[in-house]
Amino acid sequence: QTVVTQEPSLTVSPGGTVTLTCASSTGAVTSACFANWFQQKPGQAPRVVIYSTTNKHSWTPARFSGSLLGGKAALTLSGVQPEDEADFYCLLFCSGTWVFGGGTRLTVL
Amino acid sequence: QVQLVQSGAEVKTPGASVKLSCKASGYTLTSYYMHWVRQAPGQGLEWMGLLRPSGDSTLYPQKFRGRVTMTRDTSTSTFYMELSSLRSEDTAVYYCGREKYGGNFDYWGQGTLLTVSS
Repeated sequence: QTVVTQEPSLTVSPGGTVTLTCASSTGAVTSACFANWFQQKPGQAPRVVIYSTTNKHSWTPARFSGSLLGGKAALTLSGVQPEDEADFYCLLFCSGTWVFGGGTRLTVL
Repeated sequence: QVQLVQSGAEVKTPGASVKLSCKASGYTLTSYYMHWVRQAPGQGLEWMGLLRPSGDSTLYPQKFRGRVTMTRDTSTSTFYMELSSLRSEDTAVYYCGREKYGGNFDYWGQGTLLTVSS
């Protein structure tokens, strides 16, 4: 059974840059995989901010970007704003099924 | 515009079954996968499976095989997720969301709270 691992929590200062990562227990996350990143604020439904590893939706802030980094999927927030504080989940398809990571709680402080 | 509108909250007793719905509008159903995920109180997101665009093929993770059934009624543009043999651990908010092939997830429903309690 595939396990997807994310940092449990990260803290970043307003205006700073932070990178969240998403690793698969089956091996490196490659361009053959699909990674989606969800942002969820308290009491709200999750929304997708990055799809197919690197692509943004029309509602995705320009400061969000997705990439592959050291065998993991990555979400980088540059110029972080207070409203970016949220839980972030990656959803990965690498080995025939979709699996969520445990989520990263991002604190902007 | 694309909308996924889910049915209202449900309360069920252990051992019962539940069938949640997700009414789609604003797009062609046969061009997208439909996924279901859930989130237990205070917990993370959990993928429950998908219905392929054909409407007659599914993919479920091992954990839910034999207990979950995902279907679609094209005439009403409504997707269904039925979960049987309910237990307290199934208490969660359930979401439907669509994907265009290639991992392109975009729109999600507002969620349905299922409470399983005796």
